[in-house]
Amino acid sequence: IVVTQSPLSLAVTPGEPASISCNSSQSLLHRNGYTYLDWYLQKPGQSPQLLIYFVSNRASGVPDRFSGSGSVTDFTLQISRVEPEDVGVYYCMQAVRSPGFGPGTKLEIK
Amino acid sequence: EVQLVQSGGGLVQPGGSLRLSCEVSGFPFSDYWMHWVRQVPGQGLEWVSNINQDATSIDYVDSVKGRFIISRDNTRNMVFLQMYSLRVEDTAVYYCARLSTAGGVNYWGPGALVTVSS
Repeated sequence: IVVTQSPLSLAVTPGEPASISCNSSQSLLHRNGYTYLDWYLQKPGQSPQLLIYFVSNRASGVPDRFSGSGSVTDFTLQISRVEPEDVGVYYCMQAVRSPGFGPGTKLEIK
Repeated sequence: EVQLVQSGGGLVQPGGSLRLSCEVSGFPFSDYWMHWVRQVPGQGLEWVSNINQDATSIDYVDSVKGRFIISRDNTRNMVFLQMYSLRVEDTAVYYCARLSTAGGVNYWGPGALVTVSS
């Protein structure tokens, strides 16, 4: 399964929204009914942290300005109002089979 | 508090071997699949290997098949990655991780740098 993301980088003014797309070459819908698409943020110098799991479920402690949507092969991470602490690289990851990550999207603050 | 304590990284010559360890505490280790993920400095994340709860299901990314061996010891809450025939392109930070999202969380270790260089 090949996972792609766009854009690969974006610069956002604080308070403005941001959106990242993730596309999979195969359906991420498992026969158990779950769609295995997660989103991670890796802040500089840190391990990745889970933001969104199963497409649209916010991980524990993640602010509600983060939301995920999509289905089958096309997914989106949206940040309603970017804050300075959101800087880092965002990865989508499929886990319907052995996991695979997208190339990452680097978010910077204008 | 959940902790994943990694050890075993370092500098090794091409063709050499290295064993990474990850000791887990704070969640029922034997109930979960465990994974190794690596990241070449400045680049993206690459899944390397996983192992199920009783080590009966194991998988690897194609680039390490036949060279790396994942294992676990549920009595010591530890997962291992034995790496043989190391190549320069294996140079990376290696993370152990519980990727399953039970309870809306998953867990990653701090990473261990493996440098393959002569």
